[in-house]
Amino acid sequence: NAGVMQNPRHLVRRRGQEARLRCSPMKGHSHVYWYRQLPEEGLKFMVYLQKENIIDESGMPKERFSAEFPKEGPSILRIQQVVRGDSAAYFCASSPTGSGEETQYFGPGTRLLVL
Amino acid sequence: QKEVEQNSGPLSVPEGAIASLNCTYSDRGSQSFFWYRQYSGKSPELIMFIYSNGDKEDGRFTAQLNKASQYVSLLIRDSQPSDSATYLCAVRGSQGNLIFGKGTKLSVKP
Repeated sequence: NAGVMQNPRHLVRRRGQEARLRCSPMKGHSHVYWYRQLPEEGLKFMVYLQKENIIDESGMPKERFSAEFPKEGPSILRIQQVVRGDSAAYFCASSPTGSGEETQYFGPGTRLLVL
Repeated sequence: QKEVEQNSGPLSVPEGAIASLNCTYSDRGSQSFFWYRQYSGKSPELIMFIYSNGDKEDGRFTAQLNKASQYVSLLIRDSQPSDSATYLCAVRGSQGNLIFGKGTKLSVKP
């Protein structure tokens, strides 16, 4: 039973380029959460998605960041025109239905480095 | 703004001792609480979750929840060097996302 999958595991971009991070939830899970972890910081919630719906994007920066979870395929977190401050570990987590007593299982993360 | 506070540590305990990790939260209405372990360079790994006041035990781990005082703790009995990691306390937000503390770094000395 495969866990949450993320790719790429490491991504290097130059300032101004675009970064695309992918997340495939665990089998049977239809709820995806994206978190960002800056160096020496805790995890910060970014966005919560269900298939074809954004449920809560209150943690997303207003500009340059977007997320989607299409009917088919992985969830994608897109960062346009990256800046050095975007360098962080981006984690995706999934849960079956998003109800209050469910746990979230994390993927291995994508480490983004902006040069 | 809901907040979760943890002592960043490092907390250093000798092998075989009990490690006690504490966490406080600001939203009195919070219902679900989680402890994750994160090794350096790795992703968070769920250790325990707790919803009701009192203690919940799983092997060497015990989670304690006191809603009146708004704190949750994690006890690790018979600590091992392999327990050395950062422990993250999390509270579920109203939309289902997790609100994390900054984590407590635990070091278990052989």
